Amino acid sequence: ETGVTQSPTHLIKTRGQQVTLRCSSQSGHNTVSWYQQALGQGPQFIFQYYREEENGRGNFPPRFSGLQFPNYSSELNVNALELDDSALYLCASSLPGVSVYTIYFGEGSWLTVV
Amino acid sequence: ILNVEQSPQSLHVQEGDSTNFTCSFPSSNFYALHWYRWETAKSPEALFVMTLNGDEKKKGRISATLNTKEGYSYLYIKGSQPEDSATYLCAFSGGSGYSTLTFGKGTMLLVSP
Repeated sequence: ETGVTQSPTHLIKTRGQQVTLRCSSQSGHNTVSWYQQALGQGPQFIFQYYREEENGRGNFPPRFSGLQFPNYSSELNVNALELDDSALYLCASSLPGVSVYTIYFGEGSWLTVV
Repeated sequence: ILNVEQSPQSLHVQEGDSTNFTCSFPSSNFYALHWYRWETAKSPEALFVMTLNGDEKKKGRISATLNTKEGYSYLYIKGSQPEDSATYLCAFSGGSGYSTLTFGKGTMLLVSP
């Protein structure tokens, strides 16, 4: 148990639709990152939120957006879904500032775009 | 573009065999190297976070070494058991974004009884 929970676990959407994925970080962790794992690839960094502000972004288009709330939970929103957005989306929480730290992952949300 | 490579891509061993995997990563701007163990339908489990050149970490039958100067890390499993079957991921974090990870594609290990 990592203490990071994600919802929903699986969902199917149609091309062009919008989707919201949710993540509750481990207690006390103020930093949440989102990763996309496509088939046959390692997880790819989408973006990171620290204290409700975006704090870094990977090579993903603007239709991937996010939010972090005062309780440090987070949402990932994807607009205008494309077939290639089908993937496992992982949320990770951490507490930067500690000299050696561990990043904890949730079980992920499987998104299928048809 | 950061490149993290893992080898082999997959491995099938018999129970009791010892095995090792390799992770190569950029040797510049290094902050930490993470190893994760990932079983199907579960969350990736953090095994080690390594930061110092020459670092060695051990957790039960699993150990890891780190060479930041040449940019590689080895993960060793001694006396593999069927419950060790999983995908093993390594991830690099650099000084400019120390809490963002660049992952390899993983090594899928299958241990047969």
